[in-house]
Amino acid sequence: DAGITQSPRHKVTETGTPVTLRCHQTENHRYMYWYRQDPGHGLRLIHYSYGVKDTDKGEVSDGYSVSRSKTEDFLLTLESATSSQTSVYFCAITGSSGDHNEQFFGPGTRLTVL
Amino acid sequence: ELKVEQNPLFLSMQEGKNYTIYCNYSTTSDRLYWYRQDPGKSLESLFVLLSNGAVKQEGRLMASLDTKARLSTLHITAAVHDLSATYFCAVVFSYNNNDMRFGAGTRLTVKP
Repeated sequence: DAGITQSPRHKVTETGTPVTLRCHQTENHRYMYWYRQDPGHGLRLIHYSYGVKDTDKGEVSDGYSVSRSKTEDFLLTLESATSSQTSVYFCAITGSSGDHNEQFFGPGTRLTVL
Repeated sequence: ELKVEQNPLFLSMQEGKNYTIYCNYSTTSDRLYWYRQDPGKSLESLFVLLSNGAVKQEGRLMASLDTKARLSTLHITAAVHDLSATYFCAVVFSYNNNDMRFGAGTRLTVKP
């Protein structure tokens, strides 16, 4: 457990509404990530952050924005949700594990867009 | 193009049998990870492989890496039901240490 929580854990919303997912970590990690998981695709990186107010795009960033105003919180926003954004969203951090770094994942948020 | 291909995507095994999951990737990598995911759960790290020829073992699972062939394998020895899960390989490509690409996953079912 790398001290990562995600909220909400489940959400159902309608097409066109804004949605914000929150990732919270308690161990002062610098790097944070948002992924989505869909059947047949594994996990795909949406955005990541390498510090407060420092973010960059991942493989599937279209339709998503992020913000990081505090080290502990990384927010993912869907400005106008679409059905194609129905997915399970995972937050991750980079932490140390022995002699190397690796990513540790939060519990996930299941988002359904009707 | 950055690609990670995993096969098979579905694997049904009998208890006690051996099998191998393969993970191919398209270009130079700094490190490769194997994760396990149980239904409805998050991802659990199994192994990280950092260099050519690296081999890691934990219980009935053994992972190896051949960077020249751009291939990693996850070998299952004498499978037991508790190993039923989805297994993912993930590759961090050299051009950007923050861009980790996942294979599609192998859904393993071990039958009595």
